[in-house]
Amino acid sequence: DAGVIQSPRHEVTEMGQEVTLRCKPISGHNSLFWYRQTMMRGLELLIYFNNNVPIDDSGMPEDRFSAKMPNASFSTLKIQPSEPRDSAVYFCASSLILAGGRNIQYFGAGTRLSVL
Amino acid sequence: SQQGEEDPQALSIQEGENATMNCSYKTSINNLQWYRQNSGRGLVHLILIRSNEREKHSGRLRVTLDTSKKSSSLLITASRAADTASYFCAVETSGSRLTFGEGTQLTVNP
Repeated sequence: DAGVIQSPRHEVTEMGQEVTLRCKPISGHNSLFWYRQTMMRGLELLIYFNNNVPIDDSGMPEDRFSAKMPNASFSTLKIQPSEPRDSAVYFCASSLILAGGRNIQYFGAGTRLSVL
Repeated sequence: SQQGEEDPQALSIQEGENATMNCSYKTSINNLQWYRQNSGRGLVHLILIRSNEREKHSGRLRVTLDTSKKSSSLLITASRAADTASYFCAVETSGSRLTFGEGTQLTVNP
């Protein structure tokens, strides 16, 4: 398997524009996570899907952020409108969590977002 | 409350030396995991230790867990320049929630 695939790797946009980040999880995994990493705040969990259903979106900063998982092999994180403080590296991770099992996460390479 | 706080924040050693990083947490856990992040890359899972285990080894890695003190340590023996990275502990709690610490930046000088 190619691992978790994220696109684009880098995104530079202007304040106010819509940004869409994409993620393809590892085939067979049932859980998907979106994280944001900054120097100031470290690694923050934004949202967690299990079997394509959002389970915990308490980390989503505000209504400008939305995430979808229309099927088991694709997820998007959208920011509309984007602001300079959204600049960060966004990671997608996937995991196979079984009943009573362990949550070992596999991370993509990340998308480095710069909002000017 | 902050889970998975690493100590030290940064560590610089010479190649061949051992590196020890510590992690403290606040609540009951199912397991504790360590991840590595090379510069500009995603996190990579290294090792998992269950709450009923006290020590685990994997190659040059040794992890200990003391649930009474709510702490864990990661020891990398005979370090190499390629071990230079950030190391994160992550605690898994009920509902399979995984919470990451802020990481220790390890620099191994050749």
